[in-house]
Amino acid sequence: QKEVEQDPGPLSVPEGAIVSLNCTYSNSAFQYFMWYRQYSRKGPELLMYTYSSGNKEDGRFTAQVDKSSKYISLFIRDSQPSDSATYLCAMSGGTGANNLFFGTGTRLTVIP
Amino acid sequence: DADVTQTPRNRITKTGKRIMLECSQTKGHDRMYWYRQDPGLGLRLIYYSFDVKDINKGEISDGYSVSRQAQAKFSLSLESAIPNQTALYFCATSEGWETQYFGPGTRLLVL
Repeated sequence: QKEVEQDPGPLSVPEGAIVSLNCTYSNSAFQYFMWYRQYSRKGPELLMYTYSSGNKEDGRFTAQVDKSSKYISLFIRDSQPSDSATYLCAMSGGTGANNLFFGTGTRLTVIP
Repeated sequence: DADVTQTPRNRITKTGKRIMLECSQTKGHDRMYWYRQDPGLGLRLIYYSFDVKDINKGEISDGYSVSRQAQAKFSLSLESAIPNQTALYFCATSEGWETQYFGPGTRLLVL
């Protein structure tokens, strides 16, 4: 079983839709949870970062962490064509941890 | 200018050849990493370095070696390239584990 599971998609939505992207994980020691966005032919860039459980909002983006279910989500409101990219979840055990575990990524296309 | 640069951006080589991928960063971070990205497998850590004198193996280090020439420079070598090392390679840098800044990647094709 992989440490982090992520539905690869692809996911296509109309402009303005609410997008939900999800990852599950198996390691209960994970404390830090991140979402990276990767445009085609570019390196990943950090989008959201949360510690432990709870929600974090940044503009149109909301990250949720449910540690009891080992489940994290990224919501995109009022999706735009510029949101079309691959979204990667990542997680870490925190201080002293020596690895960052990535999901395989979900490819999102927002259709104008 | 980009914070993390990688050279070359694209490389085609033959089986058995030695190649080096280079990474430079201007963010002043001590930590640097090398990943490979494959379809369906995501990003996997090859090597990481917490400072010039500290080098650590990641998940998939076999067939690779690294050199940390300075705080800002971290190179990845394939001593004898093989076709299953065909992948997209990323260098990254960070202060901690969570906020990593990635370079633009190097597309490597081993024939």
